[in-house]
Amino acid sequence: KAGVTQTPRYLIKTRGQQVTLSCSPISGHRSVSWYQQTPGQGLQFLFEYFSETQRNKGNFPGRFSGRQFSNSRSEMNVSTLELGDSALYLCASSPRTDLSSGANVLTFGAGSRLTVL
Amino acid sequence: GENVEQHPSTLSVQEGDSAVIKCTYSDSASNYFPWYKQELGKRPQLIIDIRSNVGEKKDQRIAVTLNKTAKHFSLHITETQPEDSAVYFCAAVKAAGNKLTFGGGTRVLVKP
Repeated sequence: KAGVTQTPRYLIKTRGQQVTLSCSPISGHRSVSWYQQTPGQGLQFLFEYFSETQRNKGNFPGRFSGRQFSNSRSEMNVSTLELGDSALYLCASSPRTDLSSGANVLTFGAGSRLTVL
Repeated sequence: GENVEQHPSTLSVQEGDSAVIKCTYSDSASNYFPWYKQELGKRPQLIIDIRSNVGEKKDQRIAVTLNKTAKHFSLHITETQPEDSAVYFCAAVKAAGNKLTFGGGTRVLVKP
């Protein structure tokens, strides 16, 4: 079974540009979440999608947005990039919502490392 | 919202010794507590988790304990090996949710 696949793995952008990152969850997983990882702020929740609907959103500005398609693949977009957006963006998937229920765990992809110059 | 604090931020142990990482959380509605291990340049990987209906869970050399009254949980690694060197993250999840609130991470170094 293929894992969570994220593309691109690395990218470099300049301030003011926008970027779109893609995530393909594990087959059969319908919940997709996004996290930002930086040395200073650690791992922070961006948003979660289930069945094409955003269920939860973290404390990030409106420049950060996402969506989920009918095949559960997800994309996140960051517009008007700032230097502080440089980070590893991690996607994670799970079969369904409610991690507190048995046998439902979150699996991470390898991440997309974004550098903003 | 939920807040998770993790201590220590760095931990250096001799190979064969035990390592303990502690986390506290603020929201009593949290009921799922996973631990992730992240090696340098790699993705976080789930190593063990505990749900609030149990107080302790073991998997070979690792164990997690949970004290819901005090709102803290701990990771215990026994007989540490060099391959245990990594950053470990604790997290808390509220009931019926998928959102992980992470602790700040603990960098563990196992010296041979």
